[in-house]
Amino acid sequence: QVQLVESGGGVVQPGGSLRLSCAPSGFSEFTFSRYGMHWVRQAPGKGLEWVAFIGYDGSKKYYADSVKGRFTISRDNSKNTLYLQMNSLRVEDTAVYYCAKELAMGYYCDYWGQGTLVTVSS
Amino acid sequence: EIVLTQSPGTLSLSPGERATLSCRASQSVSSNFLAWYQQKPGQAPRLLIYDTSSRATGIPDRFSGSGSGPDFTLTISRLEPEDFAVYYCQQYGSSLWTFGQGTKVEIK
Repeated sequence: QVQLVESGGGVVQPGGSLRLSCAPSGFSEFTFSRYGMHWVRQAPGKGLEWVAFIGYDGSKKYYADSVKGRFTISRDNSKNTLYLQMNSLRVEDTAVYYCAKELAMGYYCDYWGQGTLVTVSS
Repeated sequence: EIVLTQSPGTLSLSPGERATLSCRASQSVSSNFLAWYQQKPGQAPRLLIYDTSSRATGIPDRFSGSGSGPDFTLTISRLEPEDFAVYYCQQYGSSLWTFGQGTKVEIK
């Protein structure tokens, strides 16, 4: 059983910053350092939007054009934790942010956290 | 960037009926790297199908995927009450991942 828990969401003003974290729960049965991880977001009432991917060792990082240059994905395998540093936040970044474990070389997301809500508002 | 267009936007069916959902890509999907996810209100998405036609762990065999190139299909052979949800297709190509806009399967 794989369980992921996101944290760090909240309300921030436009132009502000926030850092999200994602970690396997204490009951999770997978070796975090062996898998790539994704961030995917969902604006209220809207569909899914892929945000970023990081390889198992952090050497590969890819971003959606909508966040490139503003968001940074990283991981600390010694702490079994995934991060998303979000800078220069915009109103349109308001969404539930999910972390997800990769399947099949990163092409898909097979286990997802329950998400953390980020609201960008003045 | 490959754009995925799902149709129909909403599918109204009764339990026991067959559901056919379509996902069309703006260009050919490399190596058929296409997946389907199910999402219920207030829940995270769940992976159903990957590599076009492979069922994810624990997914019942009433769910099946098919297709190639730009056209892909998710079929639910006989709808169960728990299958009424929103379904998304997703593709990978050139270090970018994209989702379709979703199809809602609702009870008629």
